Amino acid sequence: SAVISQKPSRDICQRGTSLTIQCQVDSQVTMMFWYRQQPGQSLTLIATANQGSEATYESGFVIDKFPISRPNLTFSTLTVSNMSPEDSSIYLCSVNHGTVEAFFGQGTRLTVV
Amino acid sequence: GQQVMQIPQYQHVQEGEDFTTYCNSSTTLSNIQWYKQRPGGHPVFLIQLVKSGEVKKQKRLTFQFGEAKKNSSLHITATQTTDVGTYFCAGPGQAGTALIFGKGTTLSVSS
Repeated sequence: SAVISQKPSRDICQRGTSLTIQCQVDSQVTMMFWYRQQPGQSLTLIATANQGSEATYESGFVIDKFPISRPNLTFSTLTVSNMSPEDSSIYLCSVNHGTVEAFFGQGTRLTVV
Repeated sequence: GQQVMQIPQYQHVQEGEDFTTYCNSSTTLSNIQWYKQRPGGHPVFLIQLVKSGEVKKQKRLTFQFGEAKKNSSLHITATQTTDVGTYFCAGPGQAGTALIFGKGTTLSVSS
């Protein structure tokens, strides 16, 4: 199994500002995934973060808005830039630790006012 | 693109009644996974199905994978209040790594 520490757990931010979310895994993993879950909705994949290379973004998500860092095999950050109320959501990081089962961080509940 | 559809979106049952959620993929899946998300929590893995026609049971939960490996179901027998939450099915994306989630079925149980 994998244990993921994600922070902050929640934040209230002013529009136009940026928030960086951190995820720390207790073991080395090749890929880390970032999801967004809007209130009452399903999980939508934002991007896949690979160590040593640029993240791969899904359709509708761009690097300028959601820059991702992956400095090593146990850590990644997602920044939500120039926030607007539409960015209010839960952001989740996830890993597949050598198995097909996905493990998730506790999530970051973001409210943009 | 690949889509995973799930119905119903919401289901309310009386404690002791049965519950079923259905999942359909637009493409054949190599496997399908099921997750449960409690209110305010994060998704937690329940099970993975790999074989065509596979059926797996976990206590009161029965999971099925269709013969064509494009649909799946989760059935809960005699629901309890602890079953409350949102149940998601998920299949591997086109790249075979990240998961594509269905919209989920939110189950509420009244005692």
